[in-house]
Amino acid sequence: AQRVTQPEKLLSVFKGAPVELKCNYSYSGSPELFWYVQYSRQRLQLLLRHISRESIKGFTADLNKGETSFHLKKPFAQEEDSAMYYCALKAGGTSYGKLTFGQGTILTVHP
Amino acid sequence: EAGVAQSPRYKIIEKRQSVAFWCNPISGHATLYWYQQILGQGPKLLIQFQNNGVVDDSQLPKDRFSAERLKGVDSTLKIQPAKLEDSAVYLCASSPSLNTEAFFGQGTRLTVV
Repeated sequence: AQRVTQPEKLLSVFKGAPVELKCNYSYSGSPELFWYVQYSRQRLQLLLRHISRESIKGFTADLNKGETSFHLKKPFAQEEDSAMYYCALKAGGTSYGKLTFGQGTILTVHP
Repeated sequence: EAGVAQSPRYKIIEKRQSVAFWCNPISGHATLYWYQQILGQGPKLLIQFQNNGVVDDSQLPKDRFSAERLKGVDSTLKIQPAKLEDSAVYLCASSPSLNTEAFFGQGTRLTVV
């Protein structure tokens, strides 16, 4: 069975500071990892996926299979980055398409 | 394009009552998901449809929860009878196919008292 762990429920930083949201996973196969974001009063939306290897809104995430991690990073946080962030894993096989989410991290960026 | 529509947005019921939620996915999306999000936790998949067939319902409490997707478009999720622990946000999501991005609705917040 797959599992996603986000060790920090809350993370506070000041504007302009670097930010890293941690995500660890357990899965016996080859995973597909995602970061989803939910801004205040908005719906859950995809931020980025590891296979695209792109930077979205200044955020990047690298899949480290050795450490089974997929941490989300941004060098200079902005106030508009304040939101709830979820790490998610998509499994293969008969569960294809199903997303397993972590518990989420609330990021607050102070001015 | 129009997003995933869910109704109602909020619902308060007493335990042992029944409740139903409705989801209209994005037009043309073959895959539809229902997730349950309990306060302080991440969303958990309840059931996944591909067109009008069930792909995965392994985490659906079938003694009280049921879902259908007639004609492979809209879907309803029902709880009967509701328990206090069913209080949660119920999220509907859809995607063009199994291997594509899922788009989420605003959710229905259920409170069971």
